[in-house]
Amino acid sequence: DAKTTQPPSMDCAEGRAANLPCNHSTISGNEYVYWYRQIHSQGPQYIIHGLKNNETNEMASLIITEDRKSSTLILPHATLRDTAVYYCIVRVGGTGANNLFFGTGTRLTVIP
Amino acid sequence: DTAVSQTPKYLVTQMGNDKSIKCEQNLGHDTMYWYKQDSKKFLKIMFSYNNKELIINETVPNRFSPKSPDKAHLNLHINSLELGDSAVYFCASSQDHRRGEQYFGPGTRLTVT
Repeated sequence: DAKTTQPPSMDCAEGRAANLPCNHSTISGNEYVYWYRQIHSQGPQYIIHGLKNNETNEMASLIITEDRKSSTLILPHATLRDTAVYYCIVRVGGTGANNLFFGTGTRLTVIP
Repeated sequence: DTAVSQTPKYLVTQMGNDKSIKCEQNLGHDTMYWYKQDSKKFLKIMFSYNNKELIINETVPNRFSPKSPDKAHLNLHINSLELGDSAVYFCASSQDHRRGEQYFGPGTRLTVT
């Protein structure tokens, strides 16, 4: 699976949009982009995933560039409870051996 | 209702002991996983079972033995515990082994003294 690069940390003011970038310049055509987060001392939580189109759900939006070499996770109105480590993961879709590789992620701190 | 549950939440034991961690999911998923998160917060997959069959077995010591009595349960048994086994162990499940959406349990913090 392709490697991802994320900034180690970011701050965001409460109520503002949090934009978390991820580079995956070696992504293959059949690899999906997944986002998870881990709030302190809890298990990781699935947020969203996409292949090439932008995606939105009740938690976040995922914007994937046209060349698919990078993506941005957007939390539209960050709250204090969104403070967590956010992981960007790419993996081949529809195959066996469902192996998610969690890198170091981005530690997002939402500031009151 | 808790989707993926683990017991115990905390486990403190001495070196050389044998211990088990239990995991149950009520999501009707076919695939379950065990992950280990060490003190540096790296989260790494250990095992994956699909319909009670082992499909991922990463390089872990054979002191670690997963057991899946049915597809809703995946237990982790650890023999001859070592200091380096101290970590948080997370169980997860997914609808099947092809999907990347995994649902994690709350974790079991294992401390070996």
